Amino acid sequence: KNQVEQSPQSLIILEGKNCTLQCNYTVSPFSNLRWYKQDTGRGPVSLTIMTFSENTKSNGRYTATLDADTKQSSLHITASQLSDSASYICVVSVATGGFKTIFGAGTRLFVKA
Amino acid sequence: GAGVSQTPSNKVTEKGKYVELRCDPISGHTALYWYRQSLGQGPEFLIYFQGTGAADDSGLPNDRFFAVRPEGSVSTLKIQRTERGDSAVYLCASSLKRDGPTDTQYFGPGTRLTVL
Repeated sequence: KNQVEQSPQSLIILEGKNCTLQCNYTVSPFSNLRWYKQDTGRGPVSLTIMTFSENTKSNGRYTATLDADTKQSSLHITASQLSDSASYICVVSVATGGFKTIFGAGTRLFVKA
Repeated sequence: GAGVSQTPSNKVTEKGKYVELRCDPISGHTALYWYRQSLGQGPEFLIYFQGTGAADDSGLPNDRFFAVRPEGSVSTLKIQRTERGDSAVYLCASSLKRDGPTDTQYFGPGTRLTVL
């Protein structure tokens, strides 16, 4: 069964600290993996996208890694800011003829001053 | 337009009623997606349009749900005989084209549906 699991479910960190969010998936055949940031009451916004051949992608203070062999990805946030408080959702797409995108439940990040 | 817009932002209805949710995609985007998001969960795929046609509707939970995109732009998600379990945020997204792994979806703010 195609699944995307994220950990931790929620996380509280102090402003300025770094953190790493995890994503494990069992999706096959794999097409690509995206990380989205979703602010409360808003739609998700794409942060990074990685295909099978890519193992790291950066977007400002966000760095995503992908290990296609172990089917794991991580999102590292450097020097966190209060505005980083949001849900971070890992999304994996299946390489089939039809459309299939599986969303994780997200990690809720709280950055405190 | 600047982004994907959805109307209404909030909809409260009674069990058994019919509702329509509207999505205006980014101009020029040929692909349009509908998702449903329950509290504390990630979005759940419902249906995907390429142009006017539904390319994949495998996520629609049952035949009470239907979506159209008659002119390849605006889309309407229709829910008949609403049930309390339909309460969720309904998200719409659009992308330039469904073409390869780097196609980025841009999401609207969602419509919060509450069925009493």
